[in-house]
Amino acid sequence: EERLVESGGGVVRPGGSLRLSCAASGFSFDNYVMTWVRQGPGKGLEWVSDINWNGDSRGYADFVQGRFTISRDNAKNSLYLQMNNLRPEDTAFYYCARVRQIAADGIWWFDPWGQGTLVTVSS
Amino acid sequence: SSELTQDPAVSVALGQTVRITCQGDSLRTYYASWYQQKPGQAPILVVYGKNNRPSGIPGRFTGSNSGNTASLSITGAQAQDEADYYCNSRDSSGDHWVFGGGTKLTVL
Repeated sequence: EERLVESGGGVVRPGGSLRLSCAASGFSFDNYVMTWVRQGPGKGLEWVSDINWNGDSRGYADFVQGRFTISRDNAKNSLYLQMNNLRPEDTAFYYCARVRQIAADGIWWFDPWGQGTLVTVSS
Repeated sequence: SSELTQDPAVSVALGQTVRITCQGDSLRTYYASWYQQKPGQAPILVVYGKNNRPSGIPGRFTGSNSGNTASLSITGAQAQDEADYYCNSRDSSGDHWVFGGGTKLTVL
């Protein structure tokens, strides 16, 4: 079974830091682009960041503004999101997902998704 | 603001057909993927590309595309289809991804 399990969420004060982890199993992790998506309380899904198979290429949403860093360790089948200078508006469930693609045809999709980890930024 | 626009809420009578739409300029270049999310659960993929379903997704879920609009149709809606539905695609630059604001589907 292809599975993703996030961890590392918690309560942090504004300006603080957290490192999220995503453990992959059931597929060849180093063959895929991976991504983080978040969902604030009562809000919609919001793309955060992605990373290519070997970490050479990384993308970030504009709101990250240099505060978050995505990384991966293929030997450990793990994806990470280092979040610094956290703000109350970063409060959300953070999901990791695998990116599948037929790029030549303009087709991408996220599957599977993890169950999410909750980050709460509050004083 | 989202580059992909969805109606916030749609309702359908049990057993009838409903279409959920997603509009955006990037859809003229890239296909949308569609995700179902039930309360307290992670999203799951239901349709992607021209009209592809992952294994385990019922055939009543279909996708279509025309111009700047992608659509998800549910033929013969069931009570268990009541959920939030999100579209996703590349953004206008092609560098990042963007989600629609989501559509809350109510099955009456």
